[in-house]
Formats: sequence, structure tokens, C-alpha cells
Amino acid sequence: SQQGEEDPQALSIQEGENATMNCSYKTSINNLQWYRQNSGRGLVHLILIRSNEREKHSGRLRVTLDTSKKSSSLLITASRAADTASYFCATDPPGRRALTFGSGTRLQVQP
Amino acid sequence: DAGVIQSPRHEVTEMGQEVTLRCKPISGHDYLFWYRQTMMRGLELLIYFNNNVPIDDSGMPEDRFSAKMPNASFSTLKIQPSEPRDSAVYFCASSIGFSQTQYFGPGTRLLVL
Repeated sequence: SQQGEEDPQALSIQEGENATMNCSYKTSINNLQWYRQNSGRGLVHLILIRSNEREKHSGRLRVTLDTSKKSSSLLITASRAADTASYFCATDPPGRRALTFGSGTRLQVQP
Repeated sequence: DAGVIQSPRHEVTEMGQEVTLRCKPISGHDYLFWYRQTMMRGLELLIYFNNNVPIDDSGMPEDRFSAKMPNASFSTLKIQPSEPRDSAVYFCASSIGFSQTQYFGPGTRLLVL
């Protein structure tokens, strides 16, 4: 089973609204990363948050991490049509020296 | 830097044929990863290398799949013989260090008829 699971699986909002996506994982981690994938393209790294951090910002992105609940959230503020993509969380579970990706949230931003 | 380069971008082949996918990682990166993405199974890690040495190939589905990294600037993923269920998008990614930011290539879309 996958380490990270995103919720919701799909999200549709209007341009200008905020979008929130959640990620839950099962084991302890060193860090958690969020990636974006536009249709037909490779994944692009958005942000990395370490296990000793609780919140991190990058432009219109805000990521939170709650290690006690084994969950993270990605908030995109003032969304744009160009934000339409799939968003994945990735964790590095112990014993596996590589990232494990979740199944992703498909975000649709209507202009 | 040009980023991670993959070739070909698209491949259509017939069942039973050999398929070779190629990847050039970002210069200076010491980790290289091969992933497969399908609608049903999502993004799966197949194998990864550290300093050209295969570290974990537990994700390789069958003996029909093999991967090599003869030097720091080149890796191949080979499927022989190919089957229709191998149809997927195959991504190569590279990174500096363990569990750090991975840089993905554009992928190879493989269709096995």
C-alpha cells in the first residue's frame, strides 16, 4: 500500500478561491514533499517540509505538517487556471531509501 | 542545465518486442530513479541508483525488466519481451542526496500493442 494518501482525490474550484489538499501517511518520516504534475508532463517539486517543521510558505503555497497525526496539508491561495494539475505528496519512510508518492489530488481551477 | 532528459518521448511497439528507454540525469546528481505511472497503479518506483550502483530494484515487476547505469550521465530501462500491460508512462528522476528534491524528466509514453 502507498505511504502517502491524498484527499480529496479530485477538487474543482473557481479561479480566485483557495484550494486545500491533504496527505496522510503511515510511518515516521524525515521530510515530506509536495509535487505538481501537469497533464502529460513530469512531476515538478513544489516544497519540502522537514519533520521538525510545522509550517512552510512559498509564494501562494502554504504547507503544514502534523507529525502526531501523520498528516500534511497543501494550501494554494488565490488559485489561477494555471494551477490546474495533479498534486502529490511524497514521504521517505524508514527502511526505504527513496520517496514514496501518494495517489494524488486532481485540481481543476475554473476560469 | 537542460534538466533530466529522456528518450524517446513516445514509443509504440508490438508485444514481444524489446523496448529500451533512456535517461540522462542532471549533471552532479548522485541518485537516479525510474518510475512507472498508470491510471490504475499510480506512480510506482521501479529501481534507483546511487553513484551508478543499483540500490533497490524491489519495484521491478518481473525479470523482463532490467536497468543499467554504465556511467553518471546515462541510464537505460529495458523491457524484453514487452507485453500490453507494460503500457504506461515511464519517468526518470534524479536528485542530490537521499530523499531530497527529485527532478523529473518529461517521461516516455509507452504503448505495447
